[in-house]
Amino acid sequence: KQEVTQIPAALSVPEGENLVLNCSFTDSAIYNLQWFRQDPGKGLTSLLLIQSSQREQTSGRLNASLDKSSGRSTLYIAASQPGDSATYLCAGREDTPLVFGKGTRLSVIA
Amino acid sequence: EAGVAQSPRYKIIEKRQSVAFWCNPISGHATLYWYQQILGQGPKLLIQFQNNGVVDDSQLPKDRFSAERLKGVDSTLKIQPAKLEDSAVYLCASSLERSTEAFFGQGTRLTVV
Repeated sequence: KQEVTQIPAALSVPEGENLVLNCSFTDSAIYNLQWFRQDPGKGLTSLLLIQSSQREQTSGRLNASLDKSSGRSTLYIAASQPGDSATYLCAGREDTPLVFGKGTRLSVIA
Repeated sequence: EAGVAQSPRYKIIEKRQSVAFWCNPISGHATLYWYQQILGQGPKLLIQFQNNGVVDDSQLPKDRFSAERLKGVDSTLKIQPAKLEDSAVYLCASSLERSTEAFFGQGTRLTVV
């Protein structure tokens, strides 16, 4: 059964800093991995989807990587801004629906 | 393109009452999911539909929760009777197919008092 872990649970950084969020999963037989952003009281916004055949995906200041052999994915945020403050969730999919981690709560301080 | 629509946004009920949530997925999306998110946790799958058939309901508390997806489009999730521990955000998501990108609605925040 797939389990997804996100470390750290919370992170506070000054504006402008580059940062990395970590996601690990237990079963390497993964179809794809998706990163989401969740603002307080809101639903989930899809950020990036990485297929199992890919190693990374980029969108603007965001870059997500996937290493199936080590069971890890990272989300890199460049030049962080206060507007990036939110909870970031990763979710992995095998031949099953998405299995989520508990998320990393990010605060970017102006 | 319209996103996943959910209603209501908020609901407060007393324990042992019943409640229903509605979801309209993105047009053309065959797969529909209901997730439960308790405060501080990641979303947990309750049920997955492929068109109007159930693919996975292994984590749905079937003694009190039920869901249907009529005509393979809209879906409703019902809780009867509600318990205090059902207080959570109920998220609906859809995807074109089972292995493609999933898109979520704004969720319904349920408070059971």
